[in-house]
Amino acid sequence: DQQVKQNSPSLSVQEGRISILNCDYTNSMFDYFLWYKKYPAEGPTFLISISSIKDKNEDGRFTVFLNKSAKHLSLHIVPSQPGDSAVYFCAASGGVSTDKYIFGTGTRLKVLA
Amino acid sequence: KAGVTQTPRYLIKTRGQQVTLSCSPISGHRSVSWYQQTPGQGLQFLFEYFSETQRNKGNFPGRFSGRQFSNSRSEMNVSTLELGDSALYLCASSLAGHQETQYFGPGTRLLVL
Repeated sequence: DQQVKQNSPSLSVQEGRISILNCDYTNSMFDYFLWYKKYPAEGPTFLISISSIKDKNEDGRFTVFLNKSAKHLSLHIVPSQPGDSAVYFCAASGGVSTDKYIFGTGTRLKVLA
Repeated sequence: KAGVTQTPRYLIKTRGQQVTLSCSPISGHRSVSWYQQTPGQGLQFLFEYFSETQRNKGNFPGRFSGRQFSNSRSEMNVSTLELGDSALYLCASSLAGHQETQYFGPGTRLLVL
């Protein structure tokens, strides 16, 4: 049972436009969410996080939105750059296993120059 | 500060063999988590160690085991390898584990023939 879902395996966006990556979760006990970016042959690197007490967190070109009632979060990248091309994972923690992160399956973003 | 290192980076084994992977966390980090990444399943949590004790365990069979040493270095062992164990194995370290940014190593790519 996939508790964290990224239903779009891939996404292509034109350089300069907005990239929106989506993530849905089923466990209402999750209270902390993260996004990671992964380049080929490298480990994932932390991008941005959000706690369930907030509905938005912004860091430069990256903004994460959290809709608790819909159990949905999204990552917006504006403007998108070719260097943003990578696989993006969302992850959630909280509930019984507070130290365990549950990851989505990832979305491969391709930013076209 | 040196990042998380994993050895070896690539490994080829045959079914039935066993394998040991090593992870050295960032200096000062006491929590080490292991993940398996496969194309279809994304990143799946294996287990987490903190101060030489396993704190959390994912839904993997007992063939997967690990340990952590007093210097926080961690090893993961997989016995009686199966073809389905072919994956990228990532370890991540953090200061204390809970709701902390995890820093990932580059991973060990294991191929089971």
